[in-house]
Amino acid sequence: GENVEQHPSTLSVQEGDSAVIKCTYSDSASNYFPWYKQELGKGPQLIIDIRSNVGEKKDQRIAVTLNKTAKHFSLHITETQPEDSAVYFCAASINTGKLIFGQGTTLQVKP
Amino acid sequence: DTAVSQTPKYLVTQMGNDKSIKCEQNLGHDTMYWYKQDSKKFLKIMFSYNNKELIINETVPNRFSPKSPDKAHLNLHINSLELGDSAVYFCASSQGGGVWTEAFFGQGTRLTVV
Repeated sequence: GENVEQHPSTLSVQEGDSAVIKCTYSDSASNYFPWYKQELGKGPQLIIDIRSNVGEKKDQRIAVTLNKTAKHFSLHITETQPEDSAVYFCAASINTGKLIFGQGTTLQVKP
Repeated sequence: DTAVSQTPKYLVTQMGNDKSIKCEQNLGHDTMYWYKQDSKKFLKIMFSYNNKELIINETVPNRFSPKSPDKAHLNLHINSLELGDSAVYFCASSQGGGVWTEAFFGQGTRLTVV
């Protein structure tokens, strides 16, 4: 079955710096790759997603890149702010509605 | 205007008890899910229902029984609770139909078995 590996597990950056989180997946049939942000005591919330027919997608300070050949995708956050501090999850899916999540990255943005 | 709501938010119970968690979504979605988040924050799917029909059933002990009375509700009943069942359980919903769209998650139910 699908397996998603996510790195790093923790990431600490200074406010204003960029943060990059990387994920790899095992099943080449995966075609949907969402990123979720989970704040303390809350459920995961989608921040950006990308489909397999697109190589890059950007939404303000957040961007995601996908390399289908290498089976990896990355989240880039620019100009980080303290409110970006949270746990970030990548996930992969094959149109089945079954999200396979990475292990999560705890991002700390220091003021 | 909560999109996906779960009750209760916290649940503390003794080993061997039976408990239920309720979930409702007001988004008009066809598909609902239960995910389990363990102490290391790892999220894993347990069940998925599409229009009240079970479509995904991961390797979950049969002590866990989901029930969907209609497509807006998906409840989770757990029999004979064990210490290892302690986790945060998330309900989610999405508009299914072959083209995957955003899954909306509830706030979670923190289950503690003592």
